[in-house]
Amino acid sequence: GQNIDQPTEMTATEGAIVQINCTYQTSGFNGLFWYQQHAGEAPTFLSYNVLDGLEEKGRFSSFLSRSKGYSYLLLKELQMKDSASYLCAVRGTMDSSYKLIFGSGTRLLVRP
Amino acid sequence: KAGVTQTPRYLIKTRGQQVTLSCSPISGHRSVSWYQQTPGQGLQFLFEYFSETQRNKGNFPGRFSGRQFSNSRSEMNVSTLELGDSALYLCASSGDTDRATEAFFGQGTRLTVV
Repeated sequence: GQNIDQPTEMTATEGAIVQINCTYQTSGFNGLFWYQQHAGEAPTFLSYNVLDGLEEKGRFSSFLSRSKGYSYLLLKELQMKDSASYLCAVRGTMDSSYKLIFGSGTRLLVRP
Repeated sequence: KAGVTQTPRYLIKTRGQQVTLSCSPISGHRSVSWYQQTPGQGLQFLFEYFSETQRNKGNFPGRFSGRQFSNSRSEMNVSTLELGDSALYLCASSGDTDRATEAFFGQGTRLTVV
């Protein structure tokens, strides 16, 4: 089976740092993705991890530990426009035809 | 290059009717996946098509079906609509799926069943 867990909601202050966690249990693993989705808009790609470690991209970083089935997205120097839902997704292996499965998303509210 | 295009953007249907949604992927992409998004449920995987073949299917009833054409455009059909089918339907296209590449999403079709 496949299960992806994320917190439902988080609140943080403008200028601060926030870490959004994602744990997963999947029958196969071929990469973990983070997407950002503003209300009423399509999800947009943020980051991708397939090997253990930290990937940094400007204010956003994503970490993966495959042995623990764990990832986090780190957002630094928060801005009001970062208020959005953040979706963790895992791509399966060839056995599951590389299916991309999403968690329920974490709604982040950035306050002034 | 053009992104993923979904039509129509908004749709209102009554219970019992059927509906067809369309998705044109990014040029060159052969994989199209469909998702249903409702508040509190996140993105639920419906199915994926690759080179005109359904490669994956989620846990949805047979009322939900789809197909993909030779130009990679895909359609999704829902028959005998129920109130609970009201949702945002998103399609995503990907390039080579033998490698872990990201999926690009269209703006979605918001379906309201009354």
